[in-house]
Amino acid sequence: NAGVMQNPRHLVRRRGQEARLRCSPMKGHSHVYWYRQLPEEGLKFMVYLQKENIIDESGMPKERFSAEFPKEGPSILRIQQVVRGDSAAYFCASSPQLRTGNYNEQFFGPGTRLTVL
Amino acid sequence: QKEVEQNSGPLSVPEGAIASLNCTYSDRGSQSFFWYRQYSGKSPELIMSIYSNGDKEDGRFTAQLNKASQYVSLLIRDSQPSDSATYLCAVTSGNTGKLIFGQGTTLQVKP
Repeated sequence: NAGVMQNPRHLVRRRGQEARLRCSPMKGHSHVYWYRQLPEEGLKFMVYLQKENIIDESGMPKERFSAEFPKEGPSILRIQQVVRGDSAAYFCASSPQLRTGNYNEQFFGPGTRLTVL
Repeated sequence: QKEVEQNSGPLSVPEGAIASLNCTYSDRGSQSFFWYRQYSGKSPELIMSIYSNGDKEDGRFTAQLNKASQYVSLLIRDSQPSDSATYLCAVTSGNTGKLIFGQGTTLQVKP
């Protein structure tokens, strides 16, 4: 399966716990984007990473959220001290190297459904 | 003003008809435009990309782009019940390729 992989698919946490969401991009893709979809709301950009670099984190909440994409291994979205409002679907998308003109097709993983009790 | 606007619908069409989905965007600097399909409880699936003014056809799907009017549309010919889903318009913002999504249009194709 050469698609974007995310795990876990479902994650249940109690308030105050930590959530770690993992994303492995498609083979050959070096760009990873994280998006969040709150219930009954649209998809919102959170962060864009390349290997070992955060390129754009303009959509990340200022506190409790962090992301990384290490040289080896998957990209991780980490949410500390989760609250009920963090309950959402978190999607990772990957794209190949940006072409000139800013063209890039992003392919989405299956998502992680986070439920905070 | 929302950055990417779509009519939330639902848009209901009979099987075999043409479904027309529309999207407007506010950032004149946007260069890349995409249509995604999302079934309930699933992840977005890329169905069309368009970068230049005009039409782009792929099977039963045609995307249309008019940068002067800041307007993108998707036509689905010979609509099937399996096309029933939410269609998301997405536009790149800035120079990092991040996507700004509309709220989506729900399409219902009735047999």
